[in-house]
Amino acid sequence: AQSVSQHNHHVILSEAASLELGCNYSYGGTVNLFWYVQYPGQHLQLLLKYFSGDPLVKGIKGFEAEFIKSKFSFNLRKPSVQWSDTAEYFCAVRDNDMRFGAGTRLTVKP
Amino acid sequence: ETGVTQSPTHLIKTRGQQVTLRCSSQSGHNTVSWYQQALGQGPQFIFQYYREEENGRGNFPPRFSGLQFPNYSSELNVNALELDDSALYLCASSSSAGPRLSYTFGSGTRLTVV
Repeated sequence: AQSVSQHNHHVILSEAASLELGCNYSYGGTVNLFWYVQYPGQHLQLLLKYFSGDPLVKGIKGFEAEFIKSKFSFNLRKPSVQWSDTAEYFCAVRDNDMRFGAGTRLTVKP
Repeated sequence: ETGVTQSPTHLIKTRGQQVTLRCSSQSGHNTVSWYQQALGQGPQFIFQYYREEENGRGNFPPRFSGLQFPNYSSELNVNALELDDSALYLCASSSSAGPRLSYTFGSGTRLTVV
C-alpha cells in the first residue's frame, strides 16, 4: 500500500522568504500525487496535482512542485511566501484511494 | 455547482454511544470517501463508496460502517464510541473511482467524545 511522509512538522518563515516542503512517498506503481492546503477553519483545497508528463507542476497561488521519480519525492515550493499562506499543507498519493501525509504547519510572520 | 456539504458541523457524544454523520456529494460525483483527521495529524482513510458499494477500506474496526444512497450522498456510522474517536471527520467526493481524479472535500464534522 502507498504511504506518504512529510519531513517538516512546523515551518516558520518571514514574509518574502522562499519555501520548500518535503514529501516522500512509497509506492511501486504509477503514482498520482497531490498537494492540499487547509487554511484555519476551512476545508482542504487542492493546490496542485501530478499525473504524468512534465515533472514540474504549477499550481494555484504561486505554488509549484517537482516530481523526482528517482528520489520518490514531490516537494512543494514557493519563491516568496505571504502572511496569507499560513496554513497546514498535506501531500497525498492516490491509487484507488487517497493517502495523506501527516501535514506541515506553515506559519508566515508578517 | 454545489460543493460537498457535511452535517452536523459539530457534535458531542458520550463514550459508548452511536453517531451518524452525513455527507452530500458534489453534483455529478458518484464516489465518496471518508477520512478521520485527529488533531495535529493528516487525514486517515476510513473507506470509500462507489455506486453504493464499499470500494476500499482503511485500517479501521468494523464499528465504523457506511452507506451510500442512490443520490450518491453518504453516511458514516460509528458504534460504541471511544474517546479516541474524537476527531474531524472529512468527506470527499469525486466523479469516479479512478486514480487520476482529485477530490472535493467538505468542511468536516467535528466529533467530540466525552
